[in-house]
Amino acid sequence: DAGITQSPRHKVTETGTPVTLRCHQTENHRYMYWYRQDPGHGLRLIHYSYGVKDTDKGEVSDGYSVSRSKTEDFLLTLESATSSQTSVYFCAIGGQGETQYFGPGTRLLVL
Amino acid sequence: GENVEQHPSTLSVQEGDSAVIKCTYSDSASNYFPWYKQELGKRPQLIIDIRSNVGEKKDQRIAVTLNKTAKHFSLHITETQPEDSAVYFCAASKGAQKLVFGQGTRLTINP
Repeated sequence: DAGITQSPRHKVTETGTPVTLRCHQTENHRYMYWYRQDPGHGLRLIHYSYGVKDTDKGEVSDGYSVSRSKTEDFLLTLESATSSQTSVYFCAIGGQGETQYFGPGTRLLVL
Repeated sequence: GENVEQHPSTLSVQEGDSAVIKCTYSDSASNYFPWYKQELGKRPQLIIDIRSNVGEKKDQRIAVTLNKTAKHFSLHITETQPEDSAVYFCAASKGAQKLVFGQGTRLTINP
């Protein structure tokens, strides 16, 4: 499945705590993306990266930050988790102008 | 920014019949239109994509058509089988980055 993994796969946390999700690829793709998936909303882009230390916001970036210190890893951080951030988070990878391939997802529950 | 509308939200067809899912997009600059299939609890997987320089693309039982003038594109599945049951998402973007997804269509194939 396109050499992309996410960790953790499931997480339960409490409101106000910081949470970091990791996306790891072995495909050496330039672009990496974080999406969230919620019922009735499809998939919505949170942040994406077009290279090491190069990131940009998506349509639902408030409350999230990202970092990419090396090509293979893209981290998504919720600085202070809220119940509205309960969701399934998908990472995706792709080359410039190329198809995006998704990771297995992380199911996050914020209590 | 881009906005993608997808219809219908649910679709039920008899095994062997055809299924059609339609999407409209708002940004005339969009030039890449992928379709993803997502089975329950799994990651979205690309099933077919089309770029704006072609009007139709086929892959066995699956086809996608694009009408740039009307800004809509459609997924056609012929000779449906039980394994086609899933949620299907369309998306649009300029250059395959920053995909904007439709809300999804839950397709059920009745035996």
